[in-house]
Amino acid sequence: EAQVTQNPRYLITVTGKKLTVTCSQNMNHEYMSWYRQDPGLGLRQIYYSMNVEVTDKGDVPEGYKVSRKEKRNFPLILESPSPNQTSLYFCASSFRTARANSPLHFGNGTRLTVT
Amino acid sequence: AQSVTQLGSHVSVSEGALVLLRCNYSSSVPPYLFWYVQYPNQGLQLLLKYTSAATLVKGINGFEAEFKKSETSFHLTKPSAHMSDAAEYFCAVSPSNFGNEKLTFGTGTRLTIIP
Repeated sequence: EAQVTQNPRYLITVTGKKLTVTCSQNMNHEYMSWYRQDPGLGLRQIYYSMNVEVTDKGDVPEGYKVSRKEKRNFPLILESPSPNQTSLYFCASSFRTARANSPLHFGNGTRLTVT
Repeated sequence: AQSVTQLGSHVSVSEGALVLLRCNYSSSVPPYLFWYVQYPNQGLQLLLKYTSAATLVKGINGFEAEFKKSETSFHLTKPSAHMSDAAEYFCAVSPSNFGNEKLTFGTGTRLTIIP
């Protein structure tokens, strides 16, 4: 089954304790992206990757890191989480096209709480 | 730069009634427009898209949307609401000369269906 898999689904942590949220897709997609969803703000892009070893900042990259060492995986790293990073996070992937006509496939989300 | 405005963060309709979710966009170049739906505890999935072909676009589950350049709108409609339509709906815009890396989401509209 074609899917984007995120782990964990739920995570509660404390300020400053490094964490990684994993994302893996099995559709051979070149493009992958991370979003955070907050009430009243919709989805905001954190980082994206056009292909292996190619990453770029989205609209809200502060406090996050990513890496793209393999095509299928795109982990999101919070090296020193803070309470304002409490949010619902989504990973998404698609084929890379010159125009936005390849639909994004989303994971089921990771709900992160930082205390 | 581009943006979308979704009027009404919450919309309630009776089962069998017309569904109308409003989306207005702003874009400095011809846009591609999308509606994504998010069911509870799931990621987003594509409902329909406008990519400069027909201005009336039909999507899954009986939804459709009409691109109106003069009104800068892309409202989502369904003639008869079903209980299974209860979800959050996101309008999104991308400049037509870019891929998904420039996709911008609205703040979402939560649709409630009254039995």
